[in-house]
Amino acid sequence: DIQMTQSPSTLSASVGDRVIITCRASQNINSWLAWYQQRPGKAPKLLISKASNLETGVPSRFSGSGSGTEFTLTINSLQPDDFATYYCQQYTSYSIFTFGPGTKVDIK
Amino acid sequence: EVQLVESGGGLVQPGGSLRLSCAASKFTFSTYWMGWVRQAPGKGLEWVANIKQDGSEKYYVDFVKGRFTISRDNAENSLYLQINSLRAEDTAVYYCARTVGATAFDIWGQGTLVTVSS
Repeated sequence: DIQMTQSPSTLSASVGDRVIITCRASQNINSWLAWYQQRPGKAPKLLISKASNLETGVPSRFSGSGSGTEFTLTINSLQPDDFATYYCQQYTSYSIFTFGPGTKVDIK
Repeated sequence: EVQLVESGGGLVQPGGSLRLSCAASKFTFSTYWMGWVRQAPGKGLEWVANIKQDGSEKYYVDFVKGRFTISRDNAENSLYLQINSLRAEDTAVYYCARTVGATAFDIWGQGTLVTVSS
């Protein structure tokens, strides 16, 4: 089974900061990686699919990159709404999904 | 507005069963892979199961195989999750979600809480 790791697990930042979250897969997943944002008490929201495709309506300060086993989510100029937990998720054949453990972005 | 609404959660004793439902609206339900994701209190997201558009293919995370069954009724625009032999560790919010390209979840319901306790 493919395992996903994320780093850091918690990140303290200030409004206006640039934030980078890393997600690693235990084996090659090509570009089959998605990123989600989850605010407390809310359902997750898809931000990026296929490693770098920004979903409609997601602010352009969010971007994703990477392929193979290492991926990054970058948030440029962090906004108050961005303090949340971020999850990566991989897809393999047979529609098997695996989520990363999450990265909590909180206020410094 | 495209929407998914879950129902059927509640308090159940260990060993019990529940059937979760998810009602879809404002999109052509029968053309999408659908899935269930759960989140234990204070924990991360955990994929549970996916089902193909016509129900002919179903995939599960290893630790629920044999206890959970995903199904759908395209005529009713509904997704289901039958959960049997419930354990305390199944306590979680269960989300219904629509897949985009069968590779990620683009629409999520609000979740339904399942609590397993005696």
